[in-house]
Amino acid sequence: DVKVTQSSRYLVKRTGEKVFLECVQDMDHENMFWYRQDPGLGLRLIYFSYDVKMKEKGDIPEGYSVSREKKERFSLILESASTNQTSMYLCASGTGGSPLHFGNGTRLTVT
Amino acid sequence: KQEVTQIPAALSVPEGENLVLNCSFTDSAIYNLQWFRQDPGKGLTSLLLIQSSQREQTSGRLNASLDKSSGRSTLYIAASQPGDSATYLCAVSTGGGNKLTFGTGTQLKVEL
Repeated sequence: DVKVTQSSRYLVKRTGEKVFLECVQDMDHENMFWYRQDPGLGLRLIYFSYDVKMKEKGDIPEGYSVSREKKERFSLILESASTNQTSMYLCASGTGGSPLHFGNGTRLTVT
Repeated sequence: KQEVTQIPAALSVPEGENLVLNCSFTDSAIYNLQWFRQDPGKGLTSLLLIQSSQREQTSGRLNASLDKSSGRSTLYIAASQPGDSATYLCAVSTGGGNKLTFGTGTQLKVEL
């Protein structure tokens, strides 16, 4: 079974802090994604990567950056956390044309 | 820009009933369509994937259909059970990768 692991289930950070969300997959997938999920807005794509050291902006990249130094790991970075970044963050991985596999999510609260 | 709509937003049915969830999308040039299930506070679980060349896919009590030309998909759940209670999300891919555009989901409650 494919496993996508997000390092934290719940995270509380202060405004202005630098925040790292880590995601690791164990199926050698080329493609990895970061989404955020908010009530009434659904899932929105922040960043994605189709290969190591490659990254592409999604629909809402502002205030975020990513890092993919190894194929299995895709990190989301909030350079200076703000209260409007309080959300559920979901990481996913897959290969072209196959089902996307999601982690269990990280619920981030910025106070 | 692709937009995906799911109606209804919420649905409550008695146990044993057959039901249909609807999904529509604005750009018919899709690569594939996926249905997911999400339990409260959890990630998404892939249920069915339909390639653009296919009309339907089945898994157990679930059947998903795709009418690409009209921009519609349905998820049929037979003999619903309380364990089917969850939010069901539809998503479409317009490229060869896994980049998906999601609907906002249908929250299903199956009552005893």
